[in-house]
Amino acid sequence: GQNIDQPTEMTATEGAIVQINCTYQTSGFNGLFWYQQHAGEAPTFLSYNVLDGLEEKGRFSSFLSRSKGYSYLLLKELQMKDSASYLCAVKYGGATNKLIFGTGTLLAVQP
Amino acid sequence: AAGVIQSPRHLIKEKRETATLKCYPIPRHDTVYWYQQGPGQDPQFLISFYEKMQSDKGSIPDRFSAQQFSDYHSELNMSSLELGDSALYFCASSSNSGTRRYNEQFFGPGTRLTVL
Repeated sequence: GQNIDQPTEMTATEGAIVQINCTYQTSGFNGLFWYQQHAGEAPTFLSYNVLDGLEEKGRFSSFLSRSKGYSYLLLKELQMKDSASYLCAVKYGGATNKLIFGTGTLLAVQP
Repeated sequence: AAGVIQSPRHLIKEKRETATLKCYPIPRHDTVYWYQQGPGQDPQFLISFYEKMQSDKGSIPDRFSAQQFSDYHSELNMSSLELGDSALYFCASSSNSGTRRYNEQFFGPGTRLTVL
């Protein structure tokens, strides 16, 4: 299988910075996505990494190290509305573009 | 901008009944994916279609079938429903032709299926 591991839950304070880690099996790796999902709603796209390094997009940044099978999502200037699940999803090689999702990290932002 | 449309949004069925879920992808998207998300779980890939042909198959039970039609909309047919089929079913679409860098999948709002 392609185990994708994330912490189950995290708590952070409004205005702070939080880093959510994701590790995955490297064989056949073909890109990594981060999605945000509020309870009962559809996942919404946050970022994509296929090459090593940092991708910055406003308050959100995502980092990838392909050799280590590791990514993180960095959220800055946390807002209460950032309370949600954050899903790491990996696309593996071949003709398919299906995503294998991690277990998701439930982030609670406190005042 | 147009998004992925799914219908119905909510569906209640009894055990052993059948259900049909519909998905209308974003215009000009050629690929449709179906995912199942149980309570407190991550989305699990079921099946995908590219240009009306099945392109990949995941953990889809034999009781389920799906197809993509000429207008690119897709239907997921579920028969002999079981209690464990209760879940959120997401459809996603992407454009896998051309030069898009990463073929981002756009998710629909989901259909919440409850089997009693």
